[in-house]
Formats: sequence, structure tokens, C-alpha cells
Amino acid sequence: GEDVEQSLFLSVREGDSSVINCTYTDSSSTYLYWYKQEPGAGLQLLTYIFSNMDMKQDQRLTVLLNKKDKHLSLRIADTQTGDSAIYFCAERDGGYQKVTFGTGTKLQVIP
Amino acid sequence: SQTIHQWPATLVQPVGSPLSLECTVEGTSNPNLYWYRQAAGRGLQLLFYSVGIGQISSEVPQNLSASRPQDRQFILSSKKLLLSDSGFYLCAWSPTGTGYSYEQYFGPGTRLTVT
Repeated sequence: GEDVEQSLFLSVREGDSSVINCTYTDSSSTYLYWYKQEPGAGLQLLTYIFSNMDMKQDQRLTVLLNKKDKHLSLRIADTQTGDSAIYFCAERDGGYQKVTFGTGTKLQVIP
Repeated sequence: SQTIHQWPATLVQPVGSPLSLECTVEGTSNPNLYWYRQAAGRGLQLLFYSVGIGQISSEVPQNLSASRPQDRQFILSSKKLLLSDSGFYLCAWSPTGTGYSYEQYFGPGTRLTVT
């Protein structure tokens, strides 16, 4: 089955850039997503990228996709304390109605 | 705009008692609907998904069941709860049809504690 992996923890200083990485195994992925979860809340969609794109930028967020290596990353510029949360990457197989989520990366922003 | 509601927000139930969690979506039609469980604040386990009224797909065999009695209503149930059913339950919906990227939108979640 599909597998999506992320590192569990990342710590950065306020104002620095954060880079959260994700690897996936499904070569037929069509869409890849990044979600943010704050404590005790549901997941919030941050951004997504279609598999025929290499990069997508949205304000402080930059998504990079290396389809050859099946590697997805999320860069947060000028990281703020409000960015502290768990970040999930997810991928959708083109043939299915469901999405596979990674295990989540907990981002800690140090003031 | 679309909104998704889940209730209750928190629930404490004894082992062996029944369960009913409800999820409703507003502002869209014919959405795909999903139930997830999240244990220990981490990875999401897909429990059920539905592509239409009465159409339920189960991902994990267990003592839970799901129903979709109306287009925008998704219910998660159990006849007898187990301790292992404790967790954070999330409902989500995604748009369908051409031109959509199938992103999922999540409800606020229900924290279930089985004692």
C-alpha cells in the first residue's frame, strides 16, 4: 500500500525558515497536500500541489516537489510562534477517493 | 461558503456503552465524506469513507460502523465501546467533480475517552 513518511520533530528559532520534509512511495500520486493541526483542533489545509508541478509559492509557504525522488517539502519563511503545530503531508492516488497521510511533523518555534 | 460540524466536542463513555458521533456539512452537495481516528495526537487512521448516500467503505475491521443517511450527514457508531476506541475522531469532506483537487476539509473533532 501507499506509505508517506515524515520526521517527527523540528525545532527552529523565530524568524528563521522552517523546512519540513516528506517522502512517499506511490508513483501514481496526483495531488500532494500540506495540512496544519493546532492542539486539540482539526486539520487545516495549508496548500496543495499537482504532481505535474515542481514548485508552488503562497505567501510565506513554498512547496517543492521532486517527483523523481518522491520527495515533498514545505518551507515556511520567517517562522512565527503561531506556526507551532503538527504538519501533515498527504498524497492522493489518482485512482482512489482517499488520501494517505504522513505521521506528522511537530514544529516547535523558539522565541 | 462550506462548513463542517461535528458533535459532541468531547465525550466520556464507559466500556460497553454505545456510541454515536455525528458530522454534517453545509454549503456543498454530493461531497465525499471521511471518518478518521487520531491516537496520541499523531497519525490519522482512515476508518470509513463514503462517496454517496448509503455507500460506505470500511478501511479497518473493528467494532465501529458508519452510516450516511443523507447527502451531507455522516454518522459513526458503535454498539459496545472498547477501551481501545479512545481517541480523537475527525470527520472530513472533499469536493467532487471535475476541476477539483480533492483536498479534504476537516471538522473540529470529537475527543472520546472510554473509561
